[in-house]
Amino acid sequence: AQSVTQPDIHITVSEGASLELRCNYSYGATPYLFWYVQSPGQGLQLLLKYFSGDTLVQGIKGFEAEFKRSQSSFNLRKPSVHWSDAAEYFCAVGATPGSNYQLIWGAGTKLIIKP
Amino acid sequence: SQTIHQWPATLVQPVGSPLSLECTVEGTSNPNLYWYRQAAGRGLQLLFYSVGIGQISSEVPQNLSASRPQDRQFILSSKKLLLSDSGFYLCAWQSRFGYEQYFGPGTRLTVT
Repeated sequence: AQSVTQPDIHITVSEGASLELRCNYSYGATPYLFWYVQSPGQGLQLLLKYFSGDTLVQGIKGFEAEFKRSQSSFNLRKPSVHWSDAAEYFCAVGATPGSNYQLIWGAGTKLIIKP
Repeated sequence: SQTIHQWPATLVQPVGSPLSLECTVEGTSNPNLYWYRQAAGRGLQLLFYSVGIGQISSEVPQNLSASRPQDRQFILSSKKLLLSDSGFYLCAWQSRFGYEQYFGPGTRLTVT
């Protein structure tokens, strides 16, 4: 069965520092992978997605993610975080067709920004 | 462009009272629709999804139900709320031709 693991429940980063949020997935074929961001009390917003092709994908708000098949990972990165990046981040993998294209979700990583 | 609405934004209800949360989507046709719940400090729990009018699949047995009376309307209901129903309820839509889901602003439900 497909699964998604976000090993870090919380991450604290200083403003201006670089960021990497980890995501590992379990899936038998080439996955469809997503990162979403949720600000407190808000819905989720799609940051970026990977379907195929270039393994480094660019998203909104200066985020990027790299798909590494050998490591079953899809880590999210940003070179310099801003206080407004404080939020919860969710990784998700697209489940197999026939299950109505459901997404399997990680538990989320809460990003805390130190001034 | 597509937009998704949820209401109410917040709701405080006593235990045992009924519930009706509504979600509507604009700017797309025949979307897949989803209801999720987030308990405090927890991840996303899929409750229901729908691939068409009147077609509802339940992922978690509970005292909640869902209905889809129109193509772009998705309703979450309960006849009698429990304390454990408190949480943040999110509706999402998905194109029939893609995997990504797009979320509404959510409803914060507190059962007292």
